[in-house]
Amino acid sequence: GQQLNQSPQSMFIQEGEDVSMNCTSSSIFNTWLWYKQEPGEGPVLLIALYKAGELTSNGRLTAQFGITRKDSFLNISASIPSDVGIYFCAGPSAGNNRKLIWGLGTSLAVNP
Amino acid sequence: NAGVMQNPRHLVRRRGQEARLRCSPMKGHSHVYWYRQLPEEGLKFMVYLQKENIIDESGMPKERFSAEFPKEGPSILRIQQVVRGDSAAYFCASSPGPGRVGEQYFGPGTRLTVT
Repeated sequence: GQQLNQSPQSMFIQEGEDVSMNCTSSSIFNTWLWYKQEPGEGPVLLIALYKAGELTSNGRLTAQFGITRKDSFLNISASIPSDVGIYFCAGPSAGNNRKLIWGLGTSLAVNP
Repeated sequence: NAGVMQNPRHLVRRRGQEARLRCSPMKGHSHVYWYRQLPEEGLKFMVYLQKENIIDESGMPKERFSAEFPKEGPSILRIQQVVRGDSAAYFCASSPGPGRVGEQYFGPGTRLTVT
């Protein structure tokens, strides 16, 4: 079945550093979604990408939809302590576009 | 505008009991999705419902699990005769209707612990 592979699995960085994480698949996705989940809470949508090659920003976050449609990356610039959390990529299933397939997440820790 | 509401936030059940998880979608949203998340894993799709209809339940275990979204009231995910393996966080999301697939808004989840 469809799978999303996220890397790195975890990151430990200093406040102020830039962060880059990515998401890959062996199959094509027509939409890439990036969510952030904080402990004890549900995922919050950060950025949605709908076109191959699309580059979208949301404040200090930037995400790109890969040209091959098999990958996406998320960058966070000038990290701050509140960026701590788990970042998930997700995409719609080929058989049902309302059913989201999720990666296992990248856990981000920021040292102040 | 209130977000997606889920209750209870934490639920403890003994093996063999029933668990009922409730989800009230955002105002104006008629589509509800249930996902399950095991520790240190991503979310796994369980079921997609519209008012009074189950649209896709391909992620639901064949036995003991059921879901409904009645005309009035919240969506309910019901787990009968719970087992330890049912311990997980269960998230509900809602969307306004046909539209971009990214527009799913999540509730805070119900953490189910089976003892």
